[in-house]
Amino acid sequence: DVKVTQSSRYLVKRTGEKVFLECVQDMDHENMFWYRQDPGLGLRLIYFSYDVKMKEKGDIPEGYSVSREKKERFSLILESASTNQTSMYLCASSFAGAYNQPQHFGDGTRLSIL
Amino acid sequence: TQLLEQSPQFLSIQEGENLTVYCNSSSVFSSLQWYRQEPGEGPVLLVTVVTGGEVKKLKRLTFQFGDARKDSSLHITAAQPGDTGLYLCAGEGGSGNTGKLIFGQGTTLQVKP
Repeated sequence: DVKVTQSSRYLVKRTGEKVFLECVQDMDHENMFWYRQDPGLGLRLIYFSYDVKMKEKGDIPEGYSVSREKKERFSLILESASTNQTSMYLCASSFAGAYNQPQHFGDGTRLSIL
Repeated sequence: TQLLEQSPQFLSIQEGENLTVYCNSSSVFSSLQWYRQEPGEGPVLLVTVVTGGEVKKLKRLTFQFGDARKDSSLHITAAQPGDTGLYLCAGEGGSGNTGKLIFGQGTTLQVKP
């Protein structure tokens, strides 16, 4: 069965810290995505990657960076955490070979910045 | 910019009632996907509609894609507490086959026993 695993379910960090969120998929998918989810705003795309070492900015990339050194792993980095980055973060992956491919999601990381 | 607007944003009903959730856009989408997200979990795909006018059924859930491929609806018959969750519509965004999806804001459904 398809599996996307996010390293932490809950994380509490302090303002100014560098924060790493890790995501691993076991489906050999080319595409990987990072979203943040806030009430009433749906899912907003932060960054996505369509291949190893390739990345593109999404709709809200400011304050974030990503790393994809291996096909199965996509990391989201908060360079200097701020309180407005408190949110639910969701990682997803999808197959790149055809249109209308579904995205497979992890269970999310609820991040609190104090 | 492609946008998807969902309505209502929140719905609280009694078990056994029927409901409809709407997903609208001013843009044409090649397909729309519907996801359900239960508390503490990530969204899970329910269905993809591809052809204008298409109707798909998943047990008590009926999904319809508008003729012009700008809107979709989800109708639930005789809702059960197990239907509680966040329902999200999503369409492929951007040019080319990037795999990127544009999501609506979501509809939170609460079904009370």
